[in-house]
Amino acid sequence: NAGVTQTPKFRILKIGQSMTLQCTQDMNHNYMYWYRQDPGMGLKLIYYSVGAGITDKGEVPNGYNVSRSTTEDFPLRLELAAPSQTSVYFCASSRGTKNIQYFGAGTRLSVL
Amino acid sequence: GQQLNQSPQSMFIQEGEDVSMNCTSSSIFNTWLWYKQDPGEGPVLLIALYKAGELTSNGRLTAQFGITRKDSFLNISASIPSDVGIYFCAGQAGETSGSRLTFGEGTQLTVNP
Repeated sequence: NAGVTQTPKFRILKIGQSMTLQCTQDMNHNYMYWYRQDPGMGLKLIYYSVGAGITDKGEVPNGYNVSRSTTEDFPLRLELAAPSQTSVYFCASSRGTKNIQYFGAGTRLSVL
Repeated sequence: GQQLNQSPQSMFIQEGEDVSMNCTSSSIFNTWLWYKQDPGEGPVLLIALYKAGELTSNGRLTAQFGITRKDSFLNISASIPSDVGIYFCAGQAGETSGSRLTFGEGTQLTVNP
């Protein structure tokens, strides 16, 4: 019963490096989301997708890119990592009419 | 953008005590959700509320959707050590699942045995 799976769990990047955070879900959910959680704060929406081929910006999209080529996968791309992107990143998915979002375990990213 | 004010920010209680936390907003929400986050894990849904005035229980947890649609509260009765974690409220303004959730900043709960 996998649900939402995120990889990697931890990563350290140098300033200016790039990386892709992977997210996959096996619940056939149309909607997927990326959030970041800074220490002592709630979750801020980065990007979301309502279906394959459709993505839209959330509250804090700057410095990130996403793509949604399949229903299952929703990768998040950091092109030029900056210290301000040090955070815990959560991917989530939901089915449809009722917005119950199911979360992955998170990726903890440090940019030094 | 929409903001949720969640209080208290943290609570330190003794095992067996009851706990109450709440969220308020200046905007109306159509859905209120309560999540719990254990250390090192993602948030897990506890209770979902869809109608103003709705009162829903899940074991020792009870949550209510305020009649003004601008607030919600969560109660935990007879707390136990495994209740430790961060509790988040989240509100959704729109009718569709694609509508964004707005999260509160969380209530950190510590339960002393």
